Amino acid sequence: DIQMTQSPSSLSASVGDRVTITCRASQNINNYLNWYQQKPEKAPKLLIYIASTLQSGVPSRFSGSGSGTDFTLTINSLQPEDFATYYCQHSYDNPYTFGQGTKLEMK
Amino acid sequence: EVLLVESGGGLVKPGGSLRLSCAASGFTFNSFKMNWVRQAPGKGLEWVSSISSSSSYIYYADSVKGRFTISRDNAKSSLYLQMNSLRADDTAVYYCVREGYSGYPFDYWGQGTLVTVSS
Repeated sequence: DIQMTQSPSSLSASVGDRVTITCRASQNINNYLNWYQQKPEKAPKLLIYIASTLQSGVPSRFSGSGSGTDFTLTINSLQPEDFATYYCQHSYDNPYTFGQGTKLEMK
Repeated sequence: EVLLVESGGGLVKPGGSLRLSCAASGFTFNSFKMNWVRQAPGKGLEWVSSISSSSSYIYYADSVKGRFTISRDNAKSSLYLQMNSLRADDTAVYYCVREGYSGYPFDYWGQGTLVTVSS
């Protein structure tokens, strides 16, 4: 199975900051990489798929990049509603494993 | 509007069984691969099982293989998860999830149903 490793596990930032979360796959997954946002007691929400394609309705301050094994999620100009937990996931082959999550907290 | 509504969760004793259901609406159910994803309390997301649009291809996580069975009824736009031989570490919120076409992301999620396995 492909393992997904996110870093950092947690991150403190302020409104207006730019933050970057990284995700590394244990083998080449081309660009089959997705990012999700989850708020407490809510279902995850798809933000980005195929590494860099923004899901409809997601603000443009979110962006994704990378290919192969290394990927990043960047949030420009953090907004109060962005404080949440973020997960990466590959969809290269079954099982579609998730990273362990990155909790973004307000500083 | 795409809607996925899970039901069937609850409290069950170790070794017991439970059947989860997911009612889908707002899209052509029989055209999409569907998944179950779970999240233990305070933990991350774990993919559990998937089923192709025509039920031809079925996959399970190693942690549930041999105990859980995924199925679907396209005529009823419904997805199911039969869970047998439940263990305490199966305690989690279970989400019904649609898999999109382009890049196969999990593009729509239900609100989840809580399964608690405890004596």
